[in-house]
Amino acid sequence: AQSVTQLGSHVSVSEGALVLLRCNYSSSVPPYLFWYVQYPNQGLQLLLKYTSAATLVKGINGFEAEFKKSETSFHLTKPSAHMSDAAEYFCAVRRGSQGNLIFGKGTKLSVKP
Amino acid sequence: DTGVSQNPRHKITKRGQNVTFRCDPISEHNRLYWYRQTLGQGPEFLTYFQNEAQLEKSRLLSDRFSAERPKGSFSTLEIQRTEQGDSAMYLCASSLAGAQETQYFGPGTRLLVL
Repeated sequence: AQSVTQLGSHVSVSEGALVLLRCNYSSSVPPYLFWYVQYPNQGLQLLLKYTSAATLVKGINGFEAEFKKSETSFHLTKPSAHMSDAAEYFCAVRRGSQGNLIFGKGTKLSVKP
Repeated sequence: DTGVSQNPRHKITKRGQNVTFRCDPISEHNRLYWYRQTLGQGPEFLTYFQNEAQLEKSRLLSDRFSAERPKGSFSTLEIQRTEQGDSAMYLCASSLAGAQETQYFGPGTRLLVL
């Protein structure tokens, strides 16, 4: 069965600091992996996705993620945090041919001025 | 492309009442998904359609939950005899089926059952 684990339910960084949000997956088949961001009382917005084309994936708003098969990880990074990055971030894996996503519990990112 | 829309955005109801939510997907998308998100959790898959066919419904939480997509366009999610535990955000997503499938989410309907 596929699953996703996000380490750290809450991460706090200073403005301008590195953002690192951790995601580990479990999958019996090559996975399709996604990062979504959710602002308060809103739906989910796609940040980036891994579909086996390249291990380093660049997304919107300066975010990127690296797929590491040996570590079963897909951590999200951004070199310099901005106040507008404060939101909740969800890692997800696509469940085989059926297409539905399996989400982690999310990591809430706070950015201090 | 106006994105995925959901109505209503908020719904307050009394326990025991029936509620219905609507989702309008991105126009060319043939797949439509429903998820539920409770406080502090990631979205949980409920059901999905490809065109008008409901391909997976075993994850619907109980027989009080049902969904339709009668003409392969918009979809409705109905909850009968609501319970306080049904209070949550209900999210809809749409996509084009295929190996590069990417789901695009609507803003959600927040349900509060009193």
